[in-house]
Amino acid sequence: SAVISQKPSRDICQRGTSLTIQCQVDSQVTMMFWYRQQPGQSLTLIATANQGSEATYESGFVIDKFPISRPNLTFSTLTVSNMSPEDSSIYLCSGGEVSYNEQFFGPGTRLTVL
Amino acid sequence: GDSVTQMEGPVTLSEEAFLTINCTYTATGYPSLFWYVQYPGEGLQLLLKATKADDKGSNKGFEATYRKETTSFHLEKGSVQVSDSAVYFCALSDRAGGGNKLTFGTGTQLKVEL
Repeated sequence: SAVISQKPSRDICQRGTSLTIQCQVDSQVTMMFWYRQQPGQSLTLIATANQGSEATYESGFVIDKFPISRPNLTFSTLTVSNMSPEDSSIYLCSGGEVSYNEQFFGPGTRLTVL
Repeated sequence: GDSVTQMEGPVTLSEEAFLTINCTYTATGYPSLFWYVQYPGEGLQLLLKATKADDKGSNKGFEATYRKETTSFHLEKGSVQVSDSAVYFCALSDRAGGGNKLTFGTGTQLKVEL
C-alpha cells in the first residue's frame, strides 16, 4: 500500500487567482491521478499524471485550466487556474501501480472560491 | 463507455441491521471492481476489491461478490455499527482501456442509528 498526503488540506481563495495543490506519496508509484469531487457528488477524474510524460486529461478538462506537474515518482502538483466559484470542490490525488490494479487516495484538498 | 450505477441514498439503518448496497456496472472489457468508503471529513479508503468473476472481496465484515452474469457487485454486511456511517462508492477499473482509470458510482450515504 501507499500513504498519500496533500497540501493544503483546505483553502479559501478569491476568484481569478490560482492555487497549486501538492500530492506526496511515501513510495514510488508509476501512476498518479487527480480527481474532483463537487459538493454531494461522486468523483470525476481530471487527469492521469505519469512521470516523464505529459498528463492525459479527461473530456471537459484542459491543461490551461488544470496544469499538472509530475517531476518524479513520488510527487505531483495540480494547479487550479483563474478560479471561479464553480471550482469550489474537493480535489483528491491518488497513486497506484498497474500491476496491483489498485489506487490509494490522499485525504483531499477542500477548496472554496469566493 | 464504462459506467457504475449505485442505489441512491441516504440509507438509514438501526445498529445490528443487515446492509445491502446495490451496484451494477457496464464495461467494455473485464474490469476489476472496488468498494471505497469515505468517512466524514476524510479521503477515500479502499474497503474491498475483486478482480475476476466469482471473486469475493471482504474486509471489516463487509463482503461483495463479482457477478459477471448480472454485472453486479453488491456490498453486504450482516450487522452494521454506528461507526460504519459513511459514504460508500462502487468503482471499476477497466484495464482494457489502459491506465487503470477508476470510474465511480455516485456514492451511497449510510447512516446507522442506535
